[in-house]
Amino acid sequence: QVQLVESGGGVVKPGGSLRLSCAASGFTFGDYYMTWIRQAPGKGLELISYINYGGSTTYYADSVKGRFTISRDNAKKALYLQMNSLRAEDTAVYFCAREDYGTYCSSISCYLDYWGQGTLVTVSS
Amino acid sequence: DIQMTQSPSTLSASVGDRVAITCRASQSISSWLAWFQQKPGKAPKFLIYNASSLKSGVPSRFSGSGSGTEFTLTITSLQPDDFATYYCQQYNSYPLTFGGGTKVEMK
Repeated sequence: QVQLVESGGGVVKPGGSLRLSCAASGFTFGDYYMTWIRQAPGKGLELISYINYGGSTTYYADSVKGRFTISRDNAKKALYLQMNSLRAEDTAVYFCAREDYGTYCSSISCYLDYWGQGTLVTVSS
Repeated sequence: DIQMTQSPSTLSASVGDRVAITCRASQSISSWLAWFQQKPGKAPKFLIYNASSLKSGVPSRFSGSGSGTEFTLTITSLQPDDFATYYCQQYNSYPLTFGGGTKVEMK
């Protein structure tokens, strides 16, 4: 079955860095766009980044642009998020999620059908 | 970016109640809307796609409707397991955007 497992979260000081990983299994990883979604404590869901099949196209929300980098290794079935210059407002649970494709999707994008369990990032001095 | 607005933000209900949550898009998204359920400490769970199609295995007491800019998630006969926060997500265009969430709590 489809599984996404995030790792790499933890406590980091402002200005520090972390690298999140998402290990995928149960599907052909290279066939799907992948996303990172975050949820600050008590808040809603925010898409912060996505990457296309081969990694040639990426998107970043304004809140993380220039500080975060998404990447993927299709051979290892892994998604990554390099987070630099972390700020207190980056404190959140970070989820990786798979974007479906096909018949029931728009010509441009699709729903997020599988999510990992999330990994907590806390930015605090 | 397409803005998604949910109402109400909190809804108090009892087991057996029929509840309805509204999601409005800042521009037409046709039927490109999904609904998710999230419980504390858990990942969102995918429920509905194309505004009204239930994912396999989702109980039939959940239903979705709407098109264009206004959508509704309805739960008929609310069950104890349904107390959670619900989010809509548009996939008409990038970036994918979510509503702010509706918490269904016990009255």
